[in-house]
Amino acid sequence: DAKTTQPTSMDCAEGRAANLPCNHSTISGNEYVYWYRQIHSQGPQYIIHGLKNNETNEMASLIITEDRKSSTLILPHATLRDTAVYYCIVGYNKLIFGAGTRLAVHP
Amino acid sequence: DAGVIQSPRHEVTEMGQEVTLRCKPISGHNSLFWYRQTMMRGLELLIYFNNNVPIDDSGMPEDRFSAKMPNASFSTLKIQPSEPRDSAVYFCASSLELLSSGDTDTQYFGPGTRLTVL
Repeated sequence: DAKTTQPTSMDCAEGRAANLPCNHSTISGNEYVYWYRQIHSQGPQYIIHGLKNNETNEMASLIITEDRKSSTLILPHATLRDTAVYYCIVGYNKLIFGAGTRLAVHP
Repeated sequence: DAGVIQSPRHEVTEMGQEVTLRCKPISGHNSLFWYRQTMMRGLELLIYFNNNVPIDDSGMPEDRFSAKMPNASFSTLKIQPSEPRDSAVYFCASSLELLSSGDTDTQYFGPGTRLTVL
């Protein structure tokens, strides 16, 4: 399974867009990019995933570069409730979680 | 929908005792996953099942750990004998299916069981 590299932590002001980067330079052609988040003490929660194309749902947008070696998760209008650890995962059939990015949204 | 149900939510036991963690997946989901989370090692996949059959148990740390899924609505993770280093939060997750395309169907996680082994 390909490894991912994410910043350890990030800050974002409430109401602003949060852009969380992820590098996955060793991704193979059939591996998907998944984003989950974990709010303190809870189980991880699915956000979004994609293979090649950019994706958008009610929670976030996922931008995958053309070479697929990196991606960005965008929370368009961050709220305090978006404070969590965000995991970028590249996988095939199973999820291997890394350390993630700790996002702090402040007033 | 009740979501994934795990019991107990908290377990405190003494070293050497047997511990059994339980999971009820979302009704209709055919795949079930057991994870362990610690500060040192993060979130680790222990084992996963598809249609009640274990598919990959390469993450199970050692023979003291065993997992079963006797039917589609119930799974157990057993530790015997337990050790202090087994202290962690254990999560169960379920998904509709394992997709043949390699895409991993959305996993829904339970609230976890916090295990403390003294």
